Amino acid sequence: NAGVTQTPKFRILKIGQSMTLQCTQDMNHNYMYWYRQDPGMGLKLIYYSVGAGITDKGEVPNGYNVSRSTTEDFPLRLELAAPSQTSVYFCATRDVSYEQYFGPGTRLTVT
Amino acid sequence: GNSVTQMEGPVTLSEEAFLTINCTYTATGYPSLFWYVQYPGEGLQLLLKATKADDKGSNKGFEATYRKETTSFHLEKGSVQVSDSAVYFCHSSGSARQLTFGSGTQLTVLP
Repeated sequence: NAGVTQTPKFRILKIGQSMTLQCTQDMNHNYMYWYRQDPGMGLKLIYYSVGAGITDKGEVPNGYNVSRSTTEDFPLRLELAAPSQTSVYFCATRDVSYEQYFGPGTRLTVT
Repeated sequence: GNSVTQMEGPVTLSEEAFLTINCTYTATGYPSLFWYVQYPGEGLQLLLKATKADDKGSNKGFEATYRKETTSFHLEKGSVQVSDSAVYFCHSSGSARQLTFGSGTQLTVLP
């Protein structure tokens, strides 16, 4: 099993550009999450989903959008990128015992 | 909701020293408790967990005991190695809207 995969690994965006961060899981977990981690900081929840077709905002949703059309995929969309969105983005799933499984992250720089 | 308070870092130790990282929780009910570890350039991964009072989680020489009377889940290791240098996060189960992980505790082990 691949677990949680994220693409791309690295990306540089210009201010105002848009992009989609991909997240796919093969563990059949209903719960999925998007976090961002700024340098030397903890993880902040952007959006989460409790199952296909259901998403909700986390702590820092502004500037982002998500969709969940299948159990496997949970893409994160950045519209009109800003320097404040420079961060490392982690996708995660959660199993029924509340354990979370993280992807390797996407390192995004907005200049 | 459920939350944890984790000892602030950074922590610097010499190899073979004893490690304690404090974590206390507040919860309604009896959450599951977790320690995650993040090695440089990687995502978080589960280090150990405990699901009920008096349970002891252990892995790679690390231990933590779920103590209901002191609402604590302190991480300990008797003899740290350079390879243990990482950021450690305490976390608890909670509502679907998972709480942030906080900034974690940066551990540096010197040879």
